[in-house]
Amino acid sequence: GAVVSQHPSWVICKSGTSVKIECRSLDFQATTMFWYRQFPKQSLMLMATSNEGSKATYEQGVEKDKFLINHASLTLSTLTVTSAHPEDSSFYICSASTGTGKTGELFFGEGSRLTVL
Amino acid sequence: GQNIDQPTEMTATEGAIVQINCTYQTSGFNGLFWYQQHAGEAPTFLSYNVLDGLEEKGRFSSFLSRSKGYSYLLLKELQMKDSASYLCAVRDSNYQLIWGAGTKLIIKP
Repeated sequence: GAVVSQHPSWVICKSGTSVKIECRSLDFQATTMFWYRQFPKQSLMLMATSNEGSKATYEQGVEKDKFLINHASLTLSTLTVTSAHPEDSSFYICSASTGTGKTGELFFGEGSRLTVL
Repeated sequence: GQNIDQPTEMTATEGAIVQINCTYQTSGFNGLFWYQQHAGEAPTFLSYNVLDGLEEKGRFSSFLSRSKGYSYLLLKELQMKDSASYLCAVRDSNYQLIWGAGTKLIIKP
């Protein structure tokens, strides 16, 4: 199946700093990528839908100025957590779809575990 | 509103069979997905149903009844490595994926 790579897998940062997470589709072009956040023992929460060459669509309650999403190419989307605080500590996962055709299944990156001290 | 219900946790014995249920109420329906997620890892795709009936793939099968808003994931010949969370997700009329909270499956020897 299609491969999505996410980097870094683990990141620890100080409160007030910014962290960038990259999501790459390695063997296909992803016009749309999705960013999720998952707290322990909870389900995936969609944060935003990232479209190549245009502004991301954020879900209700997600601060667009805090979670900056850039989708500059068909294979790369980035999520920047600005001025991170301990409550932003979470598991961030990106995913991409090869389409909405027969299956439109999502391929997930490995996830990035952010810990803000 | 949109809602997906799954049991929070289930326990089964190695070698046995387990059925994980999922009921949904969504704005439209464009397919139902099951994903497996091991602790600390990203979800991986297991199955996709868009028509009523049973889809079989090795030890795993998934069933869908659109009229009842119901699906189940059936796992046979359980192995210890099957211990994971199983997420049910429905794609609505806007092609948005609505996620269930997941069912944590514990396999005992």
